[in-house]
Amino acid sequence: DADVTQTPRNRITKTGKRIMLECSQTKGHDRMYWYRQDPGLGLRLIYYSFDVKDINKGEISDGYSVSRQAQAKFSLSLESAIPNQTALYFCATSDRTAQETQYFGPGTRLLVL
Amino acid sequence: GESVGLHLPTLSVQEGDNSIINCAYSNSASDYFIWYKQESGKGPQFIIDIRSNMDKRQGQRVTVLLNKTVKHLSLQIAATQPGDSAVYFCAENGDDYKLSFGAGTTVTVRA
Repeated sequence: DADVTQTPRNRITKTGKRIMLECSQTKGHDRMYWYRQDPGLGLRLIYYSFDVKDINKGEISDGYSVSRQAQAKFSLSLESAIPNQTALYFCATSDRTAQETQYFGPGTRLLVL
Repeated sequence: GESVGLHLPTLSVQEGDNSIINCAYSNSASDYFIWYKQESGKGPQFIIDIRSNMDKRQGQRVTVLLNKTVKHLSLQIAATQPGDSAVYFCAENGDDYKLSFGAGTTVTVRA
C-alpha cells in the first residue's frame, strides 16, 4: 500500500551493528505496528503503538526497540544485530475508528551476516 | 496456547476453477477476522473481513465463511486467475486489537 512506506527496502548488515528501519504513513492512522515474517511462521508482532505516547511490546520484542516520533512515523531499531534477526520486516497501521483492519507497508528485507 | 492456523500450506488450482482456503482458529473470544493476500516481494494486502455476528460475507470474486461452532474460517475465490497466485493469511483479533496471523497458504494457479 503506497500510503505506508518503509525504508530501506533491503539491508545487509553485520553482527553487532545497530540499524534502524523506518516507517511512514499518510493514512492518518493512530495505530502503528512492527512485524517480522519468517518462512513458515507467518507474521509475528514485535512492537505496537496506539498513539504517539503509547508503546507496547509484542510477542517477540527482545533485541528490538522502537520510537514513535510522530503520528505518521514509527521506527524499529536493532541495537546489536544478530543473524537470527534475518527476516522480512513489515510495518502496519490501523485506524481506531475503523475496526481493526491493518494496512501493511511493502516490507524491509534484512540480512544479518 | 491460542492461535490461528491454516489447514494446508499449499494449494494448487486450475485456472478458472474455484479455490477454497481454510483456516482454523482456537480463540473463541475473537470477534473479527481478516483475510490477507501477499504477493511475492510485497506486503500483505487486505482482501475481506468478517465479524463474528455474520456467517458469510461477499466481495468481488471472494467470499468468506465463518463457522463459529467449529471455529473455522474459509476464503473462497471464484474463477481463479493467474493473478490470484499468492500466499493467503487469515488473521483474528486478539487482545487490545492486536491481530494473530496463521502461517499462510501458498496458492498456485495452473494455466
